[in-house]
Amino acid sequence: EAGVAQSPRYKIIEKRQSVAFWCNPISGHATLYWYQQILGQGPKLLIQFQNNGVVDDSQLPKDRFSAERLKGVDSTLKIQPAKLEDSAVYLCASSAGLAGGRHNEQFFGPGTRLTVL
Amino acid sequence: AQSVTQLGSHVSVSEGALVLLRCNYSSSVPPYLFWYVQYPNQGLQLLLKYTSAATLVKGINGFEAEFKKSETSFHLTKPSAHMSDAAEYFCAVSYKDSSYKLIFGSGTRLLVRP
Repeated sequence: EAGVAQSPRYKIIEKRQSVAFWCNPISGHATLYWYQQILGQGPKLLIQFQNNGVVDDSQLPKDRFSAERLKGVDSTLKIQPAKLEDSAVYLCASSAGLAGGRHNEQFFGPGTRLTVL
Repeated sequence: AQSVTQLGSHVSVSEGALVLLRCNYSSSVPPYLFWYVQYPNQGLQLLLKYTSAATLVKGINGFEAEFKKSETSFHLTKPSAHMSDAAEYFCAVSYKDSSYKLIFGSGTRLLVRP
């Protein structure tokens, strides 16, 4: 079974530029998550999708970050314009879903390392 | 607010020695609890999880953790460290009322000395 795919793996941009990250979850997984992992810290949830609807985006800086999950499969996370403090690893994860009251394991992709100069 | 505390940002052990990584959570409601491992330039891999079944949980690679409600702790242990265990370890919690989103600790880097 293929895992969670992310691209690009690395990206270097200058501040005020825009950037987009792509995530392809495990086939059939209804729930998709984007996490931001700043160096020396644990991952922090940015946004959670259930199919193509947003479940939680309370920690997404909406003035510059946006995300979408068209057709409930792939997802794109965008930053526009980027700031120096956005330098981090952006992790995508997916899980089977929230149904049935069970906690479904989240599977993580390899991440995209963003450096903002 | 719900949070996770991992004591010690770096832990160093000798190969063959006991590994003990500490994790405490703060909430009045027992959460689901997880330990993840992250190798350089890779994503997170689940080591083990506690979801209200047995309090002693066994995971992959010989790791185990014990949920202690009275201490609000979920410490990770391994009897004998191996060089391949060197990595970053994250404790995380989640709650049904929060759509099961993961709240991570700041991580502990494990160094294994030959």
